[in-house]
Amino acid sequence: DVKVTQSSRYLVKRTGEKVFLECVQDMDHENMFWYRQDPGLGLRLIYFSYDVKMKEKGDIPEGYSVSREKKERFSLILESASTNQTSMYLCAAQPGGNQPQHFGDGTRLSIL
Amino acid sequence: DQQVKQNSPSLSVQEGRISILNCDYTNSMFDYFLWYKKYPAEGPTFLISISSIKDKNEDGRFTVFLNKSAKHLSLHIVPSQPGDSAVYFCAASAKGGAQKLVFGQGTRLTINP
Repeated sequence: DVKVTQSSRYLVKRTGEKVFLECVQDMDHENMFWYRQDPGLGLRLIYFSYDVKMKEKGDIPEGYSVSREKKERFSLILESASTNQTSMYLCAAQPGGNQPQHFGDGTRLSIL
Repeated sequence: DQQVKQNSPSLSVQEGRISILNCDYTNSMFDYFLWYKKYPAEGPTFLISISSIKDKNEDGRFTVFLNKSAKHLSLHIVPSQPGDSAVYFCAASAKGGAQKLVFGQGTRLTINP
C-alpha cells in the first residue's frame, strides 16, 4: 500500500508567518499534489508536481508556493500566512496515467 | 464554475438498505471518474473508479454507474453498513496532462441502525 505521510496533523501559526507543510511518499510515484478542503467546497487543487523540480499551478495557487527537490518529498509553503488560509491541507501521490491518487491524513492548519 | 457537483450535502439510510450517491459534471473532456470516502480526521480513501469507455464498474458492495449522455454518475452501496457512514467525494479527470482531479463538494452519508 502507498504510504503518504504529512509531517503535522495540527498546526497553529500567526498571521504573516512563513509556514512549511511537508509531505513524503514511499512508493516512488511521479505525481504529487497539494489540496485544501473547506466545508461546502470539496477539495481544491493548490499545486501539483509531475517530476522533481517540476511544478504547475492548480486552481487556487495564490499565496502559496511549492518545492520538490527529491521525488519522495513535496513541500507546500505559505509565504505570508493569512487567516483565510485556515483550512485542512491534504497531500496526495499518484503513479501517473489513469490511477487513483493516494492521500495523507491531512494537516489542520489554523492561522491566528 | 463548479465542474463537478454533488447536489445532496447529506443522506441518511437505514442499515441493510441501498445507498445511492449522485454526482453531475459539466466538462465533456472528463474521461476518468473516481469515488473517495473520507472519515473525520483522516485523508480521503480511494473507493472505486470508472473509465468513460464503461458504463458500470462493480467491486463487492460498491457499484459505480456512468451515464455519459446525462453527464451523471452514481455510487450504489448494497447493503449499507454502519461503517459506511462517512463523507463521499466524487472526482473526475480529463484526457491527457498529469491527471489533475476535480472534486465535488461531498455528500455526508449516515447509516442508521
